[in-house]
Amino acid sequence: KNEVEQSPQNLTAQEGEFITINCSYSVGISALHWLQQHPGGGIVSLFMLSSGKKKHGRLIATINIQEKHSSLHITASHPRDSAVYICASSGMYSGGGADGLTFGKGTHLIIQP
Amino acid sequence: EPEVTQTPSHQVTQMGQEVILRCVPISNHLYFYWYRQILGQKVEFLVSFYNNEISEKSEIFDDQFSVERPDGSNFTLKIRSTKLEDSAMYFCASVRDLGHGYTFGSGTRLTVV
Repeated sequence: KNEVEQSPQNLTAQEGEFITINCSYSVGISALHWLQQHPGGGIVSLFMLSSGKKKHGRLIATINIQEKHSSLHITASHPRDSAVYICASSGMYSGGGADGLTFGKGTHLIIQP
Repeated sequence: EPEVTQTPSHQVTQMGQEVILRCVPISNHLYFYWYRQILGQKVEFLVSFYNNEISEKSEIFDDQFSVERPDGSNFTLKIRSTKLEDSAMYFCASVRDLGHGYTFGSGTRLTVV
């Protein structure tokens, strides 16, 4: 059974700082997802990646398959980036089954002005 | 941008009552999911649905839970006899195809009293 661990659990930073959130998982996966959960509870998908690196605006996600590790980076952080960031893994698809995501506990990020 | 719509946003029910949570996935998506998040805990997979049948389900998804796609658009989660510990945020999600990112609904907050 896959375990997904995130660090740090809580992170407070000043506006403009470079932010890194880490995620590790225990078994082989087909993809790693980064999600953002707003204070009201809604979940937004940021990235899905199975290798390498993806960039969207000020957000960058990387994954190292050999080390079973992924990072989410935020450049030039802003108070509106304050949210819970969650990593989640997709299992290896076999027989067409749609395994659900396995979630980490999330990183609560606060960016202070 | 297409959305996954969930209703109601909040529901309060008495212990032992049946509840139905409703979701309208994105129309050209093929895989549908229910997840739940107990307050302060991580998101947990309940069930996935493909081709009008359950594809995978977790240990949480016991006999008190059922899912249906009655009319080709709605996707429902029924809890037959609610317990206090069923109080949680329930998220519906859909995926166009395996290997694509998820789109989550905004959730239904269920409170069992």
